[in-house]
Amino acid sequence: IAGITQAPTSQILAAGRRMTLRCTQDMRHNAMYWYRQDLGLGLRLIHYSNTAGTTGKGEVPDGYSVSRANTDDFPLTLASAVPSQTSVYFCASSDQGTDTQYFGPGTRLTVL
Amino acid sequence: GQNIDQPTEMTATEGAIVQINCTYQTSGFNGLFWYQQHAGEAPTFLSYNVLDGLEEKGRFSSFLSRSKGYSYLLLKELQMKDSASYLCAAMDSNYQLIWGAGTKLIIKP
Repeated sequence: IAGITQAPTSQILAAGRRMTLRCTQDMRHNAMYWYRQDLGLGLRLIHYSNTAGTTGKGEVPDGYSVSRANTDDFPLTLASAVPSQTSVYFCASSDQGTDTQYFGPGTRLTVL
Repeated sequence: GQNIDQPTEMTATEGAIVQINCTYQTSGFNGLFWYQQHAGEAPTFLSYNVLDGLEEKGRFSSFLSRSKGYSYLLLKELQMKDSASYLCAAMDSNYQLIWGAGTKLIIKP
C-alpha cells in the first residue's frame, strides 16, 4: 500500500452500538489526525497524535476515543454511537505536526 | 474565536481565470493551506504560504497577506476537471489547522 487507507468505506450503524474506524499509513509519518466533515461546515478535528504513544483532543472529541500503539495505525472508536455522529470521517497524517497533512479516502458513517 | 471565511460557491467559464478569497482569524499563525476536494473524495494538498506574497505552481497560484489576514487561490486556464471544492485552512499557534467550509467551484463550458 502507498499512503493512507481507511476501513470501512461506509457503514450503517444502529444507535448505541460500538464502532471502530481503522486508519493505517505506510509513510512513517509521526503525526496522525481524525476529522469529521459535515455539509456546510469545515473539517473539524476530533483527536490527533503527534507521535506513537501520545494522543490529544481536538475541537470535537466527545463520544470518540483513539489510541496510537504504533506509528502506522490510528483507530477511532465510537463507544456508543448517536445519530449526531453521522458524518464523513477522514484520517490524515503528516511527517511532523507542523507539516502538510495528507488524507485517507474517508469513511461514510450513518447512525440510525 | 478562530474563524475562516470563504465564499460558499463560485461559477466560472472553461478557459477563464478565477480567484477564490479566504480571510482568517486565528490564535497565532503558522501558515495558510489550500486543498482541493472533488465530490465524494478526500482533500488533496494544493499549496502552502507562510510568508507574504505569491506562490506559483503551474496553473494554480496562492497569495498571502499576513497583515490583512487574507489569502487567495488563483486558478488560470480553467478546465472542467477543476470543478471541485477548494478548502482554505490556517495553522494556529498550536499547529492545528482551522478549516473553512470550502468554496464549491462550478466550471461551465
